[in-house]
Amino acid sequence: DGGITQSPKYLFRKEGQNVTLSCEQNLNHDAMYWYRQDPGQGLRLIYYSQIVNDFQKGDIAEGYSVSREKKESFPLTVTSAQKNPTAFYLCASIQGWGTEAFFGQGTRLTVV
Amino acid sequence: SQQGEEDPQALSIQEGENATMNCSYKTSINNLQWYRQNSGRGLVHLILIRSNEREKHSGRLRVTLDTSKKSSSLLITASRAADTASYFCATPRDDKIIFGKGTRLHILP
Repeated sequence: DGGITQSPKYLFRKEGQNVTLSCEQNLNHDAMYWYRQDPGQGLRLIYYSQIVNDFQKGDIAEGYSVSREKKESFPLTVTSAQKNPTAFYLCASIQGWGTEAFFGQGTRLTVV
Repeated sequence: SQQGEEDPQALSIQEGENATMNCSYKTSINNLQWYRQNSGRGLVHLILIRSNEREKHSGRLRVTLDTSKKSSSLLITASRAADTASYFCATPRDDKIIFGKGTRLHILP
């Protein structure tokens, strides 16, 4: 079955640590997105990528980094520079501009 | 940046009643999309309405679009307990997909 997979489902980070969230899709989609969702809030765009080896900052990119070495994969690193990383992180992909987005099941990151 | 704003923020109705939620947006659009999110899960696409369409149906869902008022509404008829979720409108803009803050819908038994 085609889909988009995020892992892990839950992640705990200590102060000062970098952690990487995985996002993999087998839908052959070109564009991929990372969003952050805080409790009871909407989705805020962190980074997005239209093609391999290219990505752009979204509205809240500070403290985050991404790579797009393969079409199927768009990992997100939450760096120690992100002072308030506790949130629900969602990855999405689309076939082309203006089409529906497919989402992973999310990763809940907690700072301990 | 927020393109769509849903209204109301939260809505509680009895099972079997109809639920209506609204979305207002700021700039011209190519299309508007509605998504559902169950608690702690990813979003699921429900319906897409293009800027030249005024109304679209999918099962118990009915979406309207008024480009002159820059607004859209999502109607869920004959609500069920399984409809309890958050609902978001979204619009593509440049290379991005911009989501609103959502309406939390709670269906009471």
